[in-house]
Amino acid sequence: AQKVTQAQTEISVVEKEDVTLDCVYETRDTTYYLFWYKQPPSGELVFLIRRNSFDEQNEISGRYSWNFQKSTSSFNFTITASQVVDSAVYFCALSVVTGANNLFFGTGTRLTVIP
Amino acid sequence: EAQVTQNPRYLITVTGKKLTVTCSQNMNHEYMSWYRQDPGLGLRQIYYSMNVEVTDKGDVPEGYKVSRKEKRNFPLILESPSPNQTSLYFCASSSGQLSYGYTFGSGTRLTVV
Repeated sequence: AQKVTQAQTEISVVEKEDVTLDCVYETRDTTYYLFWYKQPPSGELVFLIRRNSFDEQNEISGRYSWNFQKSTSSFNFTITASQVVDSAVYFCALSVVTGANNLFFGTGTRLTVIP
Repeated sequence: EAQVTQNPRYLITVTGKKLTVTCSQNMNHEYMSWYRQDPGLGLRQIYYSMNVEVTDKGDVPEGYKVSRKEKRNFPLILESPSPNQTSLYFCASSSGQLSYGYTFGSGTRLTVV
């Protein structure tokens, strides 16, 4: 069975602070994909990144960076120099080749950036 | 513009009154899916479709129906809505290469009173 755990329900930071959102996943499949989505207050889901299980290279995109570690089954997301516009709910998700085309979501982390 | 279009965005209805939430995609995607989002539970898959006339249950299918008569459309039907179906619903589509994930619609916030 597949499972994604986002232990941080809510996080508050002051603007310009760095913040890391944790994601731990469980799967027995050797081929899988990991995703992060952002859900701003308007409610839509915005795709941020995907990573496949064979690529452990970390990625940086502007103020965003992702740390994928298979040894700890984690795919953490760091926002550097946070801004008020980063306030949103962030979801980590997992899909597997054998998983009936399902995306397994974590319960989300609500990030509030205080000006 | 490539997109998934859901309608309506907001809907308030009464218990037992049949309703349909429409979903349409313009990307010629084979895979389509419905999710519901509830506080503390994240998003859970209701139904999915791998192609026209091929549908199957997801994790929480009770109380819902779907159909896939055309590739672009995947409506969600609640024959007899109940208050526990009050939720935020998302339609999504995928090319079939799940490595690319899903494209999501803007969501439908349903309230059943």
